[in-house]
Amino acid sequence: DSGVTQTPKHLITATGQRVTLRCSPRSGDLSVYWYQQSLDQGLQFLIQYYNGEERAKGNILERFSAQQFPDLHSELNLSSLELGDSALYFCASSRAGNTEAFFGQGTRLTVV
Amino acid sequence: AQSVAQPEDQVNVAEGNPLTVKCTYSVSGNPYLFWYVQYPNRGLQFLLKYITGDNLVKGSYGFEAEFNKSQTSFHLKKPSALVSDSALYFCAVRDDSNYQLIWGAGTKLIIKP
Repeated sequence: DSGVTQTPKHLITATGQRVTLRCSPRSGDLSVYWYQQSLDQGLQFLIQYYNGEERAKGNILERFSAQQFPDLHSELNLSSLELGDSALYFCASSRAGNTEAFFGQGTRLTVV
Repeated sequence: AQSVAQPEDQVNVAEGNPLTVKCTYSVSGNPYLFWYVQYPNRGLQFLLKYITGDNLVKGSYGFEAEFNKSQTSFHLKKPSALVSDSALYFCAVRDDSNYQLIWGAGTKLIIKP
């Protein structure tokens, strides 16, 4: 158990809908990262937050947004969902920007 | 630009044999290197890291990695493979400009009994 909790584990939704994925980082970790893993595209970095502020952006679509709350948990919002958004979404956390990250079990999103 | 490459999509090894999963990197400063493992339908698990010091880094589950500065490589190794080592392995390097991890494409390791 990495100490990073993601909910829900599975999500099935229709195209055009909006979903929210939630992540609770390990106790004491200030950095939260979001990744997307598709079957044929490997691990894609989406966005990073550090202590409530956006630190870095990767290949995140405009339809996607995220935030980190004062209690350090984070949410990833995906809207106007398309079939191609079906993927595993991982959250990871780390103490700071220069230490190893620990991953949650992921949320498997299926858009139908 | 910082980058990391895992030249093999898949590595097949017989149980009990030594295994190597290759990783090469390109960074402008000192490399911070990581290996992670992903079992089916699971998140990535941290295996080991190289920050500085000894070129041979020991990690979890009997894995180790050898840092070679001249060859810009950080290959993952294990002296004797187990069937349970079968998984997807990712190498990553830290981008010094923003502390982001840059990930390799992953190597599928298959250990045959």
